[in-house]
Amino acid sequence: GQQLNQSPQSMFIQEGEDVSMNCTSSSIFNTWLWYKQDPGEGPVLLIALYKAGELTSNGRLTAQFGITRKDSFLNISASIPSDVGIYFCAGRLIQGAQKLVFGQGTRLTINP
Amino acid sequence: EAGVVQSPRYKIIEKKQPVAFWCNPISGHNTLYWYLQNLGQGPELLIRYENEEAVDDSQLPKDRFSAERLKGVDSTLKIQPAELGDSAVYLCASSPVAANTGELFFGEGSRLTVL
Repeated sequence: GQQLNQSPQSMFIQEGEDVSMNCTSSSIFNTWLWYKQDPGEGPVLLIALYKAGELTSNGRLTAQFGITRKDSFLNISASIPSDVGIYFCAGRLIQGAQKLVFGQGTRLTINP
Repeated sequence: EAGVVQSPRYKIIEKKQPVAFWCNPISGHNTLYWYLQNLGQGPELLIRYENEEAVDDSQLPKDRFSAERLKGVDSTLKIQPAELGDSAVYLCASSPVAANTGELFFGEGSRLTVL
């Protein structure tokens, strides 16, 4: 089936640092989304992208929909302790069923 | 506004026993999803409903898994019999329209441990 390759798998940073993670695929997507999951909770939507090349911000978060439609990145600026969690990219395919495919996640740990 | 409600939050059973999970979506959301999340992995779709119709169940292991959404509101996911490999978190999600913007609202999940 379709796969999203998300990297890095984990990150250990200092509070205040900027963070960057990305997602790539061999398939073309018409929608890219970024979710955050806290322990014991379900994923929560952070940012949704609908057009190739689109750059969208949500507070300290910025995400871009790649021009090729096969990738997306998420940046977090000036990280704070509540940014700790697992970040998932998700893509919605153009071909076939309107199915949302998730990446494997990036686990973010912040040292105060 | 109440979010997606799932129960139970945790369930521990022995292998070969049956188990059922219940989900109540956000009011007015006609699309409901059941996802499986294994440890350290992203969610994987099991089944998607639009109202009471299962429109995508291609990833549902039909030999032991079943789901229903009889009145197009709440839904039940059942496993019978459970196997050791079924230990995972079962997430329910809903979305307001079938137009598929990709914006899903997830419940807290039901964590299953099969011994």
